[in-house]
Formats: sequence, C-alpha cells, structure tokens
Amino acid sequence: AQRVTQPEKLLSVFKGAPVELKCNYSYSGSPELFWYVQYSRQRLQLLLRHISRESIKGFTADLNKGETSFHLKKPFAQEEDSAMYYCALSGGSQGNLIFGKGTKLSVKP
Amino acid sequence: DAGITQSPRYKITETGRQVTLMCHQTWSHSYMFWYRQDLGHGLRLIYYSAAADITDKGEVPDGYVVSRSKTENFPLTLESATRSQTSVYFCASRPLAGVGYEQYFGPGTRLTVT
Repeated sequence: AQRVTQPEKLLSVFKGAPVELKCNYSYSGSPELFWYVQYSRQRLQLLLRHISRESIKGFTADLNKGETSFHLKKPFAQEEDSAMYYCALSGGSQGNLIFGKGTKLSVKP
Repeated sequence: DAGITQSPRYKITETGRQVTLMCHQTWSHSYMFWYRQDLGHGLRLIYYSAAADITDKGEVPDGYVVSRSKTENFPLTLESATRSQTSVYFCASRPLAGVGYEQYFGPGTRLTVT
C-alpha cells in the first residue's frame, strides 16, 4: 500500500539550529516525492520536489530509495520557517497526492 | 495567486443541510482534486477529476458528491452535512499526469457543521 509517514507531529528548535523533518514512504514503483509547506492559515505551497534536486529557502531533501526516505533539512532555521510541513507522494496515474500527517515546525527566537 | 479560487472561504451550516463548496481555476488544468484537512490526519483525498465529466473517488468519498461539467469548475456538495464533516477543504489542480507536475492549491474553505 502507498503510504507516507511523518513520525513527528511537532518539532521545536531555536533560531540558527539545524532542522531535519523526517519522511518515510511506502511505494512499490518509482515514487515522485514532494514537500509542501503551509504557513499559518494559508494555502499549501510546493517547497521542493525530488526530481529537481533544488534548494528552496535553504531547504534541501534527498531521496534515499534504500531507506525509503525523503527527509527535509535546513542547516540554520529561521523564525519565518515556522509552519506546517507535509511530505507527499505521487504514485498514481491520476497524479493524486498521498500526504503524510504533517509536522509542525516551531522556530523559537 | 488568482489562478485557483474557492468560495465561500468560511461557512457555518446545520446538520442535515446540503452545502456546496465551489472551486474555480483559470489555467485550464486537466486534473482537479478535493482534499479535507483534519488535525491528526493531514490531507485526505475526497474526489478527483481527470477532465470534464470524468470523476473518481478518493480515500474518503462518503457523504460527498462532485460534478465537473466545465474544465474550470469542480464543485463539492455535501448532500446532508454531518458534524464529522467539519473540516478545512482544499481544492487543487494540476495540468497533466506524469512526472514533474505539481499540484496547485486553493486557499481553502473552513466549514463548520453545527
């Protein structure tokens, strides 16, 4: 079964500390993975997709097929990074996304 | 950000009432989706549509009805609202299936069923 697991509901760090938001997935084929971010009461926005291997707002994520993981990392957290982060898997032919339950990141001053 | 809009943004309704949530996109995207967002569950797919007049069930379709007579609109109807349908509803669209196409989300509709 296709599944996305985000083990942490809440992650709290201090400004300037490194951040790692964990994401593990279950999928039998070649997955397409995304990280979406939702700032307070706003719409979801795409942060990263694994195929583009880009860095957005200092965040990076590497697909590890052996560990079936797609962890999101940032070396130095900023207060404006506080938000809800969702890892998502697109594996169906219709392009629908399967979301994890989300991790709320809180960056303290 | 006017590409995909939802209305109303907030709605309070009573148990048993019918309510329709609207979604409109200006990009002519083929695919459209409805998700509900609940604490502890993340986002779950209700229904999706690959094109006008083509719809299919997602993970949690019970109690909902959709239609798509025009490419740009994808309304979601709660036929007889229940308290368990209190949620934030997000509509999304994407241009095509296949690798590399992201979904674009609307601003959401916060629905409260009393």
